Amino acid sequence: GQNIDQPTEMTATEGAIVQINCTYQTSGFNGLFWYQQHAGEAPTFLSYNVLDGLEEKGRFSSFLSRSKGYSYLLLKELQMKDSASYLCAVRKGGRTGANNLFFGTGTRLTVIP
Amino acid sequence: DSGVTQTPKHLITATGQRVTLRCSPRSGDLSVYWYQQSLDQGLQFLIHYYNGEERAKGNILERFSAQQFPDLHSELNLSSLELGDSALYFCASSESLGDLDREGYGYTFGSGTRLTVV
Repeated sequence: GQNIDQPTEMTATEGAIVQINCTYQTSGFNGLFWYQQHAGEAPTFLSYNVLDGLEEKGRFSSFLSRSKGYSYLLLKELQMKDSASYLCAVRKGGRTGANNLFFGTGTRLTVIP
Repeated sequence: DSGVTQTPKHLITATGQRVTLRCSPRSGDLSVYWYQQSLDQGLQFLIHYYNGEERAKGNILERFSAQQFPDLHSELNLSSLELGDSALYFCASSESLGDLDREGYGYTFGSGTRLTVV
C-alpha cells in the first residue's frame, strides 16, 4: 500500500508564505503531484516532481527528496482564494505499465486577513 | 471546463439500488481513472482503464464495476448500494498511461458526481 501523510489543517495569513509537507512510503515510486481542491470541486493540477529538487511555478513551488520520501508545497504571497485543500499524490508504476495516482487525505488551508 | 465530463452531477438513491455514473474523457485521452472521495477522506483510487482495457484496480468493492467503451467514455456501476457509499465520485483522464502530456499535465479531473444513498 501507500502511506502518504500530510497535516490535516493549516492556517496562514494573507500575504504570508506557507509550506505544506508530505511524506510517503511506497514501492514503484514514479513521481509526486500536488493538486488544489476547493470544497466540492474537482482537484486541479498544481505541480509535479519526479527528480529531486525544487520546481517553481509562479507563487507555487514544490520540492522533492526521493531518498527521504518527502515533498513540500510552498505557497507565497498568500491570497484569500488560496483557501482550499492541497492534495499530495504519489504516482506509482504498476506491472501493466500503467501509472496510477494515490492521494493523501489532503491539507485544508485557511487563509485569514 | 476541464474537458472531462461527468454525469449526472447529483444522484440521490435508496439503499439496495443500483446506479451508473458516466464519464467522458478529454478529447484525445485514452485513460480513464475512477476515484471515490468520502466526507473528510482522501481520494481513493478505484480503477483505471486504458483504451478499453482494465489496467489497474485499487480499493474497488466487488459490488462496483466499470467499463470503458470503444468511444472511450467510461461507466462506473454501483450496486446493492449502502449508506456508506455516499460520496463524491471523480473521474480523471490522461493522454496515455499516466505520463505527463504535451501541456505538462498528468491527470485531468471531472467535476464529479455527488452520490447520496438514503
